[in-house]
Amino acid sequence: GAGVSQSPSNKVTEKGKDVELRCDPISGHTALYWYRQSLGQGLEFLIYFQGNSAPDKSGLPSDRFSAERTGGSVSTLTIQRTQQEDSAVYLCASSLGQTTDTQYFGPGTRLTVL
Amino acid sequence: DAKTTQPTSMDCAEGRAANLPCNHSTISGNEYVYWYRQIHSQGPQYIIHGLKNNETNEMASLIITEDRKSSTLILPHATLRDTAVYYCIAPTGFQKLVFGTGTRLLVSP
Repeated sequence: GAGVSQSPSNKVTEKGKDVELRCDPISGHTALYWYRQSLGQGLEFLIYFQGNSAPDKSGLPSDRFSAERTGGSVSTLTIQRTQQEDSAVYLCASSLGQTTDTQYFGPGTRLTVL
Repeated sequence: DAKTTQPTSMDCAEGRAANLPCNHSTISGNEYVYWYRQIHSQGPQYIIHGLKNNETNEMASLIITEDRKSSTLILPHATLRDTAVYYCIAPTGFQKLVFGTGTRLLVSP
């Protein structure tokens, strides 16, 4: 079956611009996660959705970052007024929804802020 | 999450079995051991997980010691495409995955 998909695969933007990153989870997966990975670094948790609600937003690094999920499916991560330190690979994962369920990752969006 | 310790890097000849160890001596009774890998410039890929019993799937086998303090991921016939960073994790409440530095496996011809 289809896995997690993300778009765009690459995004280059100028400092100060807003960007939107999209994630399509595996069909039927109620839990959705956003992470980011800076060059040579480990995963950094950003936000977790269960259905359309976000019980855990603790990883969002600043109020420039926001995310929403509609219809229990597609999610959008928005970064406002991008900064160079926002450059990273943004990864989305989904799972069936129980806390012990396996997370499956998408290919990521590589964001470069010039 | 239980702390996990893995060797920084390993080499393996193509066609041979790759055995990747992981120590998780502080693991608690209800924490699973999960393995993921990340091939350069791709998202992490789930490989296998287990609690107490050894597990096998189409990708790999997972051997967990009886005391659960360590485990070994086995790729029975490594190929060049298996070159990646392999992460062993033992998450508590699975919501936030935290990957350490992992083991960089290099499979050579």
